[in-house]
Amino acid sequence: EAGVAQSPRYKIIEKRQSVAFWCNPISGHATLYWYQQILGQGPKLLIQFQNNGVVDDSQLPKDRFSAERLKGVDSTLKIQPAKLEDSAVYLCASSLGPQVELFFGEGSRLTVL
Amino acid sequence: AQTVTQSQPEMSVQEAETVTLSCTYDTSESDYYLFWYKQPPSRQMILVIRQEAYKQQNATENRFSVNFQKAAKSFSLKISDSQLGDAAMYFCAYSGGGADGLTFGKGTHLIIQP
Repeated sequence: EAGVAQSPRYKIIEKRQSVAFWCNPISGHATLYWYQQILGQGPKLLIQFQNNGVVDDSQLPKDRFSAERLKGVDSTLKIQPAKLEDSAVYLCASSLGPQVELFFGEGSRLTVL
Repeated sequence: AQTVTQSQPEMSVQEAETVTLSCTYDTSESDYYLFWYKQPPSRQMILVIRQEAYKQQNATENRFSVNFQKAAKSFSLKISDSQLGDAAMYFCAYSGGGADGLTFGKGTHLIIQP
């Protein structure tokens, strides 16, 4: 069974530029998550989707971050404009539902210069 | 808001020995779930073990077991017969009884000495 796919794996941009990350969850997983993992810290939930609806985006900096889940499958996370403090690994995860095992992708590492 | 605290930034253990990683959490909910995830270097995070708060019996998965103390809000992970492949960051995580995502601790870096 294919795992959670993310791209790009690495991205380097200048501050104030924009960037987009893509995630393809495991087939049949209704719940999709985006986490931000800053070096030396645990992952922080940015947004949670149930099918194509948003369940929780309370920690998403909505002035610069946006996310959507197309047709309840793939998802994109966009940052515009990027700041230095956005340098992190962006992890996508999916699950059959809440409280059960999350399956993580390999992450997209963003460096903002 | 729920918080998860891992007080050991780094732990080291000899191969074949036993190590315990600590985790405490803060919540006002009575129904919740606790997890330990493993993140090997440059590889994706995988689930090690899961515990439902309503279950008194501690979860076990082969060499991995937990000591769940609900009253103390403590959830430690014991790794028996440590192997070189156990070297990784270990994250304790909490999920509430609703449709919540996971809240993670800061992690413990586990080093296995050959």
